[in-house]
Amino acid sequence: GAGVSQSPSNKVTEKGKDVELRCDPISGHTALYWYRQRLGQGLEFLIYFQGNSAPDKSGLPSDRFSAERTGGSVSTLTIQRTQQEDSAVYLCASSFLGGRNTGELFFGEGSRLTVL
Amino acid sequence: GENVEQHPSTLSVQEGDSAVIKCTYSDSASNYFPWYKQELGKRPQLIIDIRSNVGEKKDQRIAVTLNKTAKHFSLHITETQPEDSAVYFCAARDDKIIFGKGTRLHILP
Repeated sequence: GAGVSQSPSNKVTEKGKDVELRCDPISGHTALYWYRQRLGQGLEFLIYFQGNSAPDKSGLPSDRFSAERTGGSVSTLTIQRTQQEDSAVYLCASSFLGGRNTGELFFGEGSRLTVL
Repeated sequence: GENVEQHPSTLSVQEGDSAVIKCTYSDSASNYFPWYKQELGKRPQLIIDIRSNVGEKKDQRIAVTLNKTAKHFSLHITETQPEDSAVYFCAARDDKIIFGKGTRLHILP
């Protein structure tokens, strides 16, 4: 597909379980972001990958959160020992840094996580 | 790091009137300021952006202004229509894109 793809679209888990959320960015996009959006709230920055540089992890809320990006493409966000406050929509976005549309973010549909 | 403040959090305007949303940023190195619109249940989408070498940009009913000295920028929507009802997010980028908390815009019939 041409857009950013995220999976799963919905995930219900029990408190204390680990979850993995996947993002497949637009081909050729060098930048990839993860944001968290709680119900009715804003877009909270979590982590940013740019090319082969070390990721900017400054937004990760705790050491239970981690993310990796393999081969400069697909990214996985992992939440260990989930808590109820982790319930949110996790949005992935990618961008192509260069050209006229430098920096425009293209968002996926998001992964809705519910922790019971 | 960058911090973006956005006001108001909620805004109601009569259809046909103008709406203005204001944002401030903290990092003077930020050079790119996009605005995203998020309709209910949908993903955010870029509606307009402005770079630090420009003071104003227009696209039909939408305009953005940037004051680098004061570190604030604004979104102006004229002749509002029902389909303008949504949440609007401003953002600023130095090396990464940081969003404001959003403004829920209601267009009243």
